[in-house]
Amino acid sequence: EIVLTQSPGTLCLSPGDSATLSCRASQSVRSSYLAWYQQRPGQPPRLLIYATSHRATDIPARFSGSGSGTDFTLTINRLEPEDFAVYYCQQYGNAPLYSFGQGTKLEIK
Amino acid sequence: QVQLVHSGPEVKKPGASVTLTCKASGYNFTNYGITWVRQAPGHGPEWMGWVTAYNGNTRCSQKFHDRIVLTTDASTNTAYMELRNLTSDDTAIYYCSRPEEYGAYFDFWGQGVPVTVSS
Repeated sequence: EIVLTQSPGTLCLSPGDSATLSCRASQSVRSSYLAWYQQRPGQPPRLLIYATSHRATDIPARFSGSGSGTDFTLTINRLEPEDFAVYYCQQYGNAPLYSFGQGTKLEIK
Repeated sequence: QVQLVHSGPEVKKPGASVTLTCKASGYNFTNYGITWVRQAPGHGPEWMGWVTAYNGNTRCSQKFHDRIVLTTDASTNTAYMELRNLTSDDTAIYYCSRPEEYGAYFDFWGQGVPVTVSS
């Protein structure tokens, strides 16, 4: 069963900084099948990035994704106050059919 | 616009069952599946199962396969999830979501419904 491990668990940064979030899979994940979500308190996850590097509708260009195989990265440039939230990676295809990482919390320093 | 609307919060006793609803609008319901994802307090999301809206075929996580029932009603654009034999570990927020066309990720989510299991 595939496990997605996100690091760091918490990232403390200031508005205007850049953030680099990591997602490591225990088995290889097809690039088409890796997505990232943002979750703010009291809200459902919101799709940010799909197929490793494609931004979802209405997602600003400061969000970007990269990676392949077992190592994937979400980068957020020039952090805005509304970007401070929890971020999850998600894979499709390996058992279980879908799985999520445990999340990285982006906090304001 | 696509909307997925849940039923209201639920409080259940251990051993009971709960049925959650998810009413879809703004798209052709039978062209997509519906997945159910839950999130326990302080944890990441956890996929539970998928139902194909046009024919009712399901695929569920092994963790839940013996106590989850997923159905849809195309006449009302509604998906249902029944979870049986509840324990306190089932306390979580439950979401329905719509997978994109090829099923690889979830582009629309319901607002979530809290389920509390307590004696």
